Amino acid sequence: GAGVSQTPSNKVTEKGKYVELRCDPISGHTALYWYRQSLGQGPEFLIYFQGTGAADDSGLPNDRFFAVRPEGSVSTLKIQRTERGDSAVYLCASSIGITDTQYFGPGTRLTVL
Amino acid sequence: AQKVTQAQTEISVVEKEDVTLDCVYETRDTTYYLFWYKQPPSGELVFLIRRNSFDEQNEISGRYSWNFQKSTSSFNFTITASQVVDSAVYFCAPPEGGGGADGLTFGKGTHLIIQP
Repeated sequence: GAGVSQTPSNKVTEKGKYVELRCDPISGHTALYWYRQSLGQGPEFLIYFQGTGAADDSGLPNDRFFAVRPEGSVSTLKIQRTERGDSAVYLCASSIGITDTQYFGPGTRLTVL
Repeated sequence: AQKVTQAQTEISVVEKEDVTLDCVYETRDTTYYLFWYKQPPSGELVFLIRRNSFDEQNEISGRYSWNFQKSTSSFNFTITASQVVDSAVYFCAPPEGGGGADGLTFGKGTHLIIQP
């Protein structure tokens, strides 16, 4: 079956611009997670959804970051006024439920010039 | 928050050698799940194992085995007869919160290099 998919695979933008990153979870998975991975580091948790609601957004670094999952499936991570420090690989994962194994997508590499 | 320590930043061995990756964690929870993931050069995180804290039996899957010692808060991973394709960054990750919910807390991982 299809795994977690993320689009785009690469995104280059200029400082100050707005970007949206999309995640399509595995069909039937109710929990969805966003992580950010900088070079040489492990993934850093940002936010997770159970269904349509954000159950924990404590990892979002500031109010420029926002994520939605309006229909409980696809999620979009939105970054306003991007900064060079936002450059990283953004990973999405999904699981059947919140206590189940998370399966990761291939990530979106964001580069802010 | 839970904490993970993977003291080995990088390990390099010759193919066919056995290699053990160490993982020590801290938790205040009595019930939790432990995970290992592999991140090959392609970048995608690949799930390897999920272990419930109640189950202290060692687990073996092909050339992979895991040794869970609750008394020392360790969850070590051994690859037997390593192969070049095993080259990757390996992450041990206990969950935030209790019962396996919430986001995973990744350390910096161990970069494993298998030389032919």
